Amino acid sequence: QVQLQESGPGLVKPSQTLSLTCTVSGGAINSGNYQWTWIRQPPGKGLEWIGYIYYTGSTYYNPSLMSRVTISVDTSKNQFSLNLNSVTAADTATYYCARRGYTDGFEYWGQGALVPVSS
Amino acid sequence: QSALTQPASVSGSPGQSITVSCTGTGTDVGGYNYVSWYQQLPGEAPKLIIYAVNNRPSGVSNRFSGSKSGNTASLTISGLQDGDEADYYCSSYTSSRTYVFGPGTKVTVL
Repeated sequence: QVQLQESGPGLVKPSQTLSLTCTVSGGAINSGNYQWTWIRQPPGKGLEWIGYIYYTGSTYYNPSLMSRVTISVDTSKNQFSLNLNSVTAADTATYYCARRGYTDGFEYWGQGALVPVSS
Repeated sequence: QSALTQPASVSGSPGQSITVSCTGTGTDVGGYNYVSWYQQLPGEAPKLIIYAVNNRPSGVSNRFSGSKSGNTASLTISGLQDGDEADYYCSSYTSSRTYVFGPGTKVTVL
């Protein structure tokens, strides 16, 4: 059973960079052409797709965040990561990592990491 | 990219059937059979309940079903139960090779 777990700092200051890592267990991150994805949810609001990466390093990003987002992968550690720079309070959210399967749908999710942006 | 459109809330009595709609455009919902639905219980991560318009993952109740007509996809919950009270989100692949979510629908069991 594939499991995902987000990790990172619990608080980020405005204008700084938010960095999160997703550790994958129960399967190799390079075992197939899956889309390793980041999704976020501001408190009390809906889901927002951030972007995804293939194990080869190819990435696709939400156009509204593209100028500030970088997703990377480390196959040796079975991890992929999210960097979001120049954050503001509007970036306060629970950040989820997820895997999209071959046939569609985000089938596996991490438990989520709440990241407040505050001075 | 524009978000998909969903009703803010839908309610029904136990045992009834309800339908949640998800409207997009020809560049997302209408253009691909890659519409998925998620159930989110309070304090939990979303759970995939429908993928590729009308397919259920293993272990998901057959009371959940999906369909699509034109630019609108739908999730139907039959035999509504108390445990179905949750937020439901649709998602679609887009022509930009990205994904978009709907704003979510709160389902209430009366």
